[in-house]
Amino acid sequence: QKEVEQNSGPLSVPEGAIASLNCTYSDRGSQSFFWYRQYSGKSPELIMFIYSNGDKEDGRFTAQLNKASQYVSLLIRDSQPSDSATYLCAVEEGYSTLTFGKGTMLLVSP
Amino acid sequence: GAVVSQHPSWVICKSGTSVKIECRSLDFQATTMFWYRQFPKQSLMLMATSNEGSKATYEQGVEKDKFLINHASLTLSTLTVTSAHPEDSSFYICSARPGGTGTDTQYFGPGTRLTVL
Repeated sequence: QKEVEQNSGPLSVPEGAIASLNCTYSDRGSQSFFWYRQYSGKSPELIMFIYSNGDKEDGRFTAQLNKASQYVSLLIRDSQPSDSATYLCAVEEGYSTLTFGKGTMLLVSP
Repeated sequence: GAVVSQHPSWVICKSGTSVKIECRSLDFQATTMFWYRQFPKQSLMLMATSNEGSKATYEQGVEKDKFLINHASLTLSTLTVTSAHPEDSSFYICSARPGGTGTDTQYFGPGTRLTVL
């Protein structure tokens, strides 16, 4: 069974700091990796996706993928209080379904 | 772009009644739509995968006769919770994947909160 593991947190960082969110997955055949942000009571919102090993940057967000270690991370630079949310890591093999982690709660204090 | 809507956003119903939830892709055609359920403080659990024009594929443990899914067009999928009971109270979220673009990204609807009394 495919598993995606995330630390539930909460991860607390001060405003302006870098938040680092981590995710490991069990299925070596996984090809696509996604980070979603979910505010309380709302549905997930796509932040980034990454397919290849290495880093991918989009504004304040950087996704990092290491397939050999089965590890994907999300860095948020210059964290803002509005970034406080639960961040969901999702993994997809081929063109099929997403397996979600349970999410990491991020709290950014002013 | 890639906007997905759901209707209704919330619904309260009596035990034993049926509830229909609509999921629409507003600015793209979705060959595949997904239905998830999320209980408080839990992650999203996939219920079923719906492909336009064919029967939905249900995940293990999801009763297909209770959760009826119809993907009648490339922009609309519906989930009907039949004979709802209080334990069906949850946050139901659909997602849609654009077809023909070479991407496997899923875009989520805003969710429907179902409360069964």
